[in-house]
Amino acid sequence: GAVVSQHPSWVICKSGTSVKIECRSLDFQATTMFWYRQFPKQSLMLMATSNEGSKATYEQGVEKDKFLINHASLTLSTLTVTSAHPEDSSFYICSAADRGTDTQYFGPGTRLTVL
Amino acid sequence: GESVGLHLPTLSVQEGDNSIINCAYSNSASDYFIWYKQESGKGPQFIIDIRSNMDKRQGQRVTVLLNKTVKHLSLQIAATQPGDSAVYFCAEKSGSQGNLIFGKGTKLSVKP
Repeated sequence: GAVVSQHPSWVICKSGTSVKIECRSLDFQATTMFWYRQFPKQSLMLMATSNEGSKATYEQGVEKDKFLINHASLTLSTLTVTSAHPEDSSFYICSAADRGTDTQYFGPGTRLTVL
Repeated sequence: GESVGLHLPTLSVQEGDNSIINCAYSNSASDYFIWYKQESGKGPQFIIDIRSNMDKRQGQRVTVLLNKTVKHLSLQIAATQPGDSAVYFCAEKSGSQGNLIFGKGTKLSVKP
């Protein structure tokens, strides 16, 4: 089946620093990738939709200057949390849509803890 | 606004019994629905999907039923096993870019 990886799986950083999270589709090409955020015992909330070669589309309330998204190739999208603060601590999950299908495959998630 | 929700936040079943997890959706224009399983600390895992031109779809030990009249979706798990314990989310495809709207989730606990 289709595999999506994320790196790192967890990260701890100091307040004010930036953190980059990578999302890769390992065995398929994804023209569209999605970034979600999930707080404990809550559902996934879509942050942004990332299209290869174009600017990401952000959901209402998500700061595009704080959460930088780059989708440079058909297999890689990155999310950079800039000037992270403790309230940014969360579980960040990406998904990738296989070209020609509607199915989204999710990565294993990245646990971000900002001290 | 449009939303996808679940009737039951928690479900506890005996090993070997069948489980039914329900979901209500509000966007009558949605044409694609997916069930995901999420174990603690992991990303959602695709279980089964269904399009709006179907009422039922079966997989291995799982069945998804779609009732468009009342905008209801359900996931049936046959002979539930301890490994089925997880949070289950229904999701509805929305928007031109195919983004998903997730329901709140149901935690399934399987008692041995």
